[in-house]
Amino acid sequence: EPEVTQTPSHQVTQMGQEVILRCVPISNHLYFYWYRQILGQKVEFLVSFYNNEISEKSEIFDDQFSVERPDGSNFTLKIRSTKLEDSAMYFCASSENRDQETQYFGPGTRLLVL
Amino acid sequence: SQKIEQNSEALNIQEGKTATLTCNYTNYSPAYLQWYRQDPGRGPVFLLLIRENEKEKRKERLKVTFDTTLKQSLFHITASQPADSATYLCALVAGGNKLTFGTGTQLKVEL
Repeated sequence: EPEVTQTPSHQVTQMGQEVILRCVPISNHLYFYWYRQILGQKVEFLVSFYNNEISEKSEIFDDQFSVERPDGSNFTLKIRSTKLEDSAMYFCASSENRDQETQYFGPGTRLLVL
Repeated sequence: SQKIEQNSEALNIQEGKTATLTCNYTNYSPAYLQWYRQDPGRGPVFLLLIRENEKEKRKERLKVTFDTTLKQSLFHITASQPADSATYLCALVAGGNKLTFGTGTQLKVEL
């Protein structure tokens, strides 16, 4: 069964450093998402992406964040200058199209900012 | 303000019993509501979706109800098994296609 994959599974970085989290969505899916989950808290929406542009973003997704689909398979989330409060699990998700409501989540990247 | 509330206390039940989890929401008009399962350190896994014009949905041992008047969804697992132990998340979509999640309810099924 096709699945969303994410790399790396764990990332440790120093405050102020840039990180890039990578995702490979399910191959025929057209909508892509990033969510995050701070330890012990709920899953929060960050951004959705369709047709090579952001379709919706939350208040969390400020100028320090950016997303890109650099090729036909990868979808990346970049955090330009990490803060301690960026420490969280970051989940990528994809859905087939706008009318296919189910989102399929990847296993996540655990980011720790020191 | 908008809220999605799930019972924050863990639910412990005996194997074979029916587990019932609750999701209440305020100040939303969701087009549909979804239930996901999350195991520790893993991503959410989709279980069931129910639309605003549906009252009930079933899949194997799972059943979801949706009452837009009460603003509540109930999630049932019948004949529960220890393997059903996990955190169960409800998520709403109300405009756009972003998911807004509740905090989840941890279910533990004991032998």
